[in-house]
Amino acid sequence: DADVTQTPRNRITKTGKRIMLECSQTKGHDRMYWYRQDPGLGLQLIYYSFDVKDINKGEISDGYSVSRQAQAKFSLSLESAIPNQTALYFCATSDQGTGELFFGEGSRLTVL
Amino acid sequence: QKEVEQNSGPLSVPEGAIASLNCTYSDRGSQSFFWYRQYSGKSPELIMSIYSNGDKEDGRFTAQLNKASQYVSLLIRDSQPSDSATYLCAVNSDTGNQFYFGTGTSLTVIP
Repeated sequence: DADVTQTPRNRITKTGKRIMLECSQTKGHDRMYWYRQDPGLGLQLIYYSFDVKDINKGEISDGYSVSRQAQAKFSLSLESAIPNQTALYFCATSDQGTGELFFGEGSRLTVL
Repeated sequence: QKEVEQNSGPLSVPEGAIASLNCTYSDRGSQSFFWYRQYSGKSPELIMSIYSNGDKEDGRFTAQLNKASQYVSLLIRDSQPSDSATYLCAVNSDTGNQFYFGTGTSLTVIP
């Protein structure tokens, strides 16, 4: 089983719908991140959290919200999806000592 | 906005050759530097991390860091077709709280 698990892996939805992407991890890391990847644009940080009561905005947080339900769970929500939120979304955890990031398998979201 | 710059490529090398990937960054306070490999449609996976000036070798991979020039590179020796992927350079922020990624360099190793 993957150490960082994302659900759903693929989702097609319509403009205006609310979408939640879920992430759970078994690595025991406190730090969790949500990234978005678009072709040619690399990985952009949406939100990050260092513990259950800590939530921080990243580079592109507008239109997104997150919830850290437990140390192992970090969810990303799109309250009202729009087509330019079509992208590949990655959840990641990091080892505080080394800073290394461990990624989930990704969630491909298409907004029509 | 912190910047991490990479040549997008594509970079093509013959099998057995050395592939050289380069990255520059703008934040002089950055302390940790990473190279991730990403196959098409897959998630990034860590190849190398480097924290101090100089070279760090791991098998066929060598990372090089020059903080004065704000430059980090990755050399892949004896390149194999299985090395064909996009390589992402990542740098942490001066606070260590965030990571900034380059747009990646696409590498193709020709058999």
